Amino acid sequence: DQQVKQNSPSLSVQEGRISILNCDYTNSMFDYFLWYKKYPAEGPTFLISISSIKDKNEDGRFTVFLNKSAKHLSLHIVPSQPGDSAVYFCAASDLSGNTPLVFGKGTRLSVIA
Amino acid sequence: GAVVSQHPSWVICKSGTSVKIECRSLDFQATTMFWYRQFPKQSLMLMATSNEGSKATYEQGVEKDKFLINHASLTLSTLTVTSAHPEDSSFYICSARLRQGGTDTQYFGPGTRLTVL
Repeated sequence: DQQVKQNSPSLSVQEGRISILNCDYTNSMFDYFLWYKKYPAEGPTFLISISSIKDKNEDGRFTVFLNKSAKHLSLHIVPSQPGDSAVYFCAASDLSGNTPLVFGKGTRLSVIA
Repeated sequence: GAVVSQHPSWVICKSGTSVKIECRSLDFQATTMFWYRQFPKQSLMLMATSNEGSKATYEQGVEKDKFLINHASLTLSTLTVTSAHPEDSSFYICSARLRQGGTDTQYFGPGTRLTVL
């Protein structure tokens, strides 16, 4: 049973345009969500997070939106740059800190120059 | 940002030998660290939760006698793959949990590529 789903295994976007990566979750106990970026043969790098008390969090070119009623979150990258090409993982947990992160399977983003 | 290191970054060993991988949080203390495994083109698979001063909690299907975890201090956790076999070849990644402002963020190490011949 996959509690965190990233239904698009890959996404191609032109440089300068917006990249939108989507993530759905099923466990209503999740109240903290994170996005990680991963290059091949490297560990994931933390990008941005959001707790359930917010519906939007912005950090530079990265914005995460949370729709609790739909159990859906998305990561927007604008403008997209070739260096953004990587695999992006959505992860979920609860704010208690007592449960490990649950990861989605990732979406491979390719930004084309 | 918080930095987590892993050593070694890659290791090749013979079947039957044991390999130890270290995970260190360099600029923060982590009472909890996690060990993941990633197969090619697949997501991260949580193997175990490592708690400082207590036994690790293993996920279902992970053999605790094969993957020994020791969280000796607030900045160091080690994973020892005992009697390694070719099927243990994988990319092992650790993370350390940092609690700030009421929220927890995991920071990941760069990973260790294990190849068992």
